[in-house]
Amino acid sequence: AQSVTQLGSHVSVSEGALVLLRCNYSSSVPPYLFWYVQYPNQGLQLLLKYTTGATLVKGINGFEAEFKKSETSFHLTKPSAHMSDAAEYFCAVSGQRAGKSTFGDGTTLTVKP
Amino acid sequence: GAVVSQHPSRVICKSGTSVKIECRSLDFQATTMFWYRQFPKQSLMLMATSNEGSKATYEQGVEKDKFLINHASLTLSTLTVTSAHPEDSSFYICSARSSEYEQYFGPGTRLTVT
Repeated sequence: AQSVTQLGSHVSVSEGALVLLRCNYSSSVPPYLFWYVQYPNQGLQLLLKYTTGATLVKGINGFEAEFKKSETSFHLTKPSAHMSDAAEYFCAVSGQRAGKSTFGDGTTLTVKP
Repeated sequence: GAVVSQHPSRVICKSGTSVKIECRSLDFQATTMFWYRQFPKQSLMLMATSNEGSKATYEQGVEKDKFLINHASLTLSTLTVTSAHPEDSSFYICSARSSEYEQYFGPGTRLTVT
């Protein structure tokens, strides 16, 4: 069994400020973890993923996330927010070799000028 | 990265009719594709897992006779919403699995049933 909890359904930051989107997971097997971004009326775009190896993973558009097994967390960060970062963000977990992903409820990121 | 397309992007149909949505992996072969449904301001809900050449595996609570899935080739899966009703109106997204852990998502299909 696996589940994802995204803390905070809405996050608002000022342009240039740090972005922190929180994700905690549970999985009965070693997890694969993902962050996706979704713009209105579009599909999901992969920002980054953790499979094995280095726990700090870097993704597109300046985002990164750190896998912390002891905390069962995979928080997404970006040092400096841009207006174009405003979107819906989803954290997802899948069990290794399972293929099927479970998604969090999503976090809406608003960036204020 | 790998590209997944969906067709149509938007469809409006009358209640009682059937609608077919196509999902294609354009530059890779996908033995497994997934179909999701997303309500406004909500997360993705997995409807079914589609495996090439075999019957789809439906999630609990999803009516297999209403949402017909066919995965006829390694690059094409279709979802047919039969006898659609207004409550079937939603955003339907497919994804195609390219490896053990990676899946690529289509752009989604907005279905409106009037």
